[in-house]
Amino acid sequence: KQEVTQIPAALSVPEGENLVLNCSFTDSAIYNLQWFRQDPGKGLTSLLLIQSSQREQTSGRLNASLDKSSGRSTLYIAASQPGDSATYLCALSGTYKYIFGTGTRLKVLA
Amino acid sequence: GAVVSQHPSRVICKSGTSVKIECRSLDFQATTMFWYRQFPKQSLMLMATSNEGSKATYEQGVEKDKFLINHASLTLSTLTVTSAHPEDSSFYICSATNLRGTSQETQYFGPGTRLLVL
Repeated sequence: KQEVTQIPAALSVPEGENLVLNCSFTDSAIYNLQWFRQDPGKGLTSLLLIQSSQREQTSGRLNASLDKSSGRSTLYIAASQPGDSATYLCALSGTYKYIFGTGTRLKVLA
Repeated sequence: GAVVSQHPSRVICKSGTSVKIECRSLDFQATTMFWYRQFPKQSLMLMATSNEGSKATYEQGVEKDKFLINHASLTLSTLTVTSAHPEDSSFYICSATNLRGTSQETQYFGPGTRLLVL
């Protein structure tokens, strides 16, 4: 059974810091890995999608990597801003279902 | 493209009533839709998968008679919470794909519906 864990569960950093969010999974037989952002009381905003044949994706200040052999993905946020404050979720698709990680609540202090 | 909407965005109801939540794909045909539930400060948990024109597949522990799912068209799925109780209060999110249950689809998520049962 696929289990997805995100570390840390919560993170508070001063504005301008570069930071890394981690996502670990137990079954490497995945197809896609997707990172989402969720603001309080809101739905999901897709940030980056990495297909299983890819190793990383970049969008603006965000970079996500995927290492299937070690069961890890990281989301790198450069030059963090207060507007980046949200919960970040990783999700894996295996046998067509998405399994979500436990989430990291990020707070960027001005 | 690939926009999914949900209606209503928020609903408050009395215990014992039924509530219907709609999920629509606005610019693509959604052969498969998924319904998730999210309790406060927890992650999303898949409740059920519905394919257009067939019965929904429910995850273990989800009561199919309580959470009725209808996927009657390629752009609309509905989730009805029957005889809602306070413990059903949650954030319900749907997602949709345009590939029939294959492994490499991307899911497009709706904005969610917050249900509060008094």
